[in-house]
Amino acid sequence: EIVLTQSPGTLSLSPGETATLSCRASQSVSSSFLAWYQQKPGQAPRLLIYGTSTRATGIPDRFSGSGSGTDFTLTIAGLEPEDSAVYYCQQRGSSFGPGTKVDIK
Amino acid sequence: EVQLVESGGGLVQPGGSLRLSCAASGFTFSGFWMNWVRQAPGKGLEWVANIKADGGEKYYADSLKGRFTISRDNAKNSLYLQMSSLSAEDTAVYFCARSGVPYGFENWGQGTLVTVSS
Repeated sequence: EIVLTQSPGTLSLSPGETATLSCRASQSVSSSFLAWYQQKPGQAPRLLIYGTSTRATGIPDRFSGSGSGTDFTLTIAGLEPEDSAVYYCQQRGSSFGPGTKVDIK
Repeated sequence: EVQLVESGGGLVQPGGSLRLSCAASGFTFSGFWMNWVRQAPGKGLEWVANIKADGGEKYYADSLKGRFTISRDNAKNSLYLQMSSLSAEDTAVYFCARSGVPYGFENWGQGTLVTVSS
């Protein structure tokens, strides 16, 4: 079973800054299998990125994904207050990481 | 517009059973893998199970130990999750989700809350 870990647990940044979120897998994951989601309080998750770097429909290009093997990254450029949320990575349409909370102040 | 609407949640006693439903619309239901994901109060996302478009393959999280069964009725555009031997640890919001893109859950329902308590 592949276990995903995410870091940091919480990220506090200001509007306009860039957030870099890490997702690390316990074993190598095909780049086709890695996805990222955003979840705001009281809402269902929203797919941001799939296949490591492909943005889902309607996702602004401020969001970008990269990585390979066991190390993957979600980058959010030009942070906006609405980006405050918890971000999860997922592998192969199954297990999720524990999430990274992003606070924009 | 893709819509997924879960129902069937509620309060159930420990050891009890419950069947969740997810009504799908706005897309060709029979053409997509479907999933159940749960989220305990204040916790992260946990993938529960998924089922192939034709129902011919089903996969489950190891942690469920055979207590849950996923199924679908393509004629009714509906997804189901039969849950048994429920415990407090199963208390969560249960979401259904469509695998609209390769290994990505493109659409989600609003979730249905299951509370296991005496």
